[in-house]
Amino acid sequence: RKEVEQDPGPFNVPEGATVAFNCTYSNSASQSFFWYRQDCRKEPKLLMSVYSSGNEDGRFTAQLNRASQYISLLIRDSKLSDSATYLCVELANAGGTSYGKLTFGQGTILTVHP
Amino acid sequence: DTEVTQTPKHLVMGMTNKKSLKCEQHMGHRAMYWYKQKAKKPPELMFVYSYEKLSINESVPSRFSPECPNSSLLNLHLHALQPEDSALYLCASSQGAHGYGYTFGSGTRLTVV
Repeated sequence: RKEVEQDPGPFNVPEGATVAFNCTYSNSASQSFFWYRQDCRKEPKLLMSVYSSGNEDGRFTAQLNRASQYISLLIRDSKLSDSATYLCVELANAGGTSYGKLTFGQGTILTVHP
Repeated sequence: DTEVTQTPKHLVMGMTNKKSLKCEQHMGHRAMYWYKQKAKKPPELMFVYSYEKLSINESVPSRFSPECPNSSLLNLHLHALQPEDSALYLCASSQGAHGYGYTFGSGTRLTVV
């Protein structure tokens, strides 16, 4: 079983739509999760961290459900500029270390059309 | 300075060539990473350096040789690569175990011919 699994997509939505991405993880001890965005032929960039209490940043809302080992990202009022690949990411770190290993889901491609 | 700088941006090399990828950061981050990303796949970790010491090698073939000359620089030496090694090579850095400030460079797009 993959450590981080995502909806394969692709998602093709009109401007203004609301779209939700889901992700599950296998390691119940994992502590930290993120959503990254990656544009074509560019590096991944942090979109937002994910907390159990849920967090919102403008049109974006992320949620972590530890009981179900499930992560979600909701995008409201989609814009053309939201078109990208969205990556669900787990951060793992060993106790006493000063680094963290990122494990990426396969990514979900979002295309927002006029 | 909140950037990770990678050079070159593009590299084409033959299977008998030796080349090096370079990565630099001046954020004072003590962990630096190499990730490899094949087309239409997510990035995968190759190496982690922590305080200039190799901490993780994810069973990477020896034709890839990392080096961390100082706390700001990270190199990846390439020798006798195969066409299937063609990929985007991403350098990243972070501060601390919780990945604070995890920052990726823009990558080197490598083509092996």
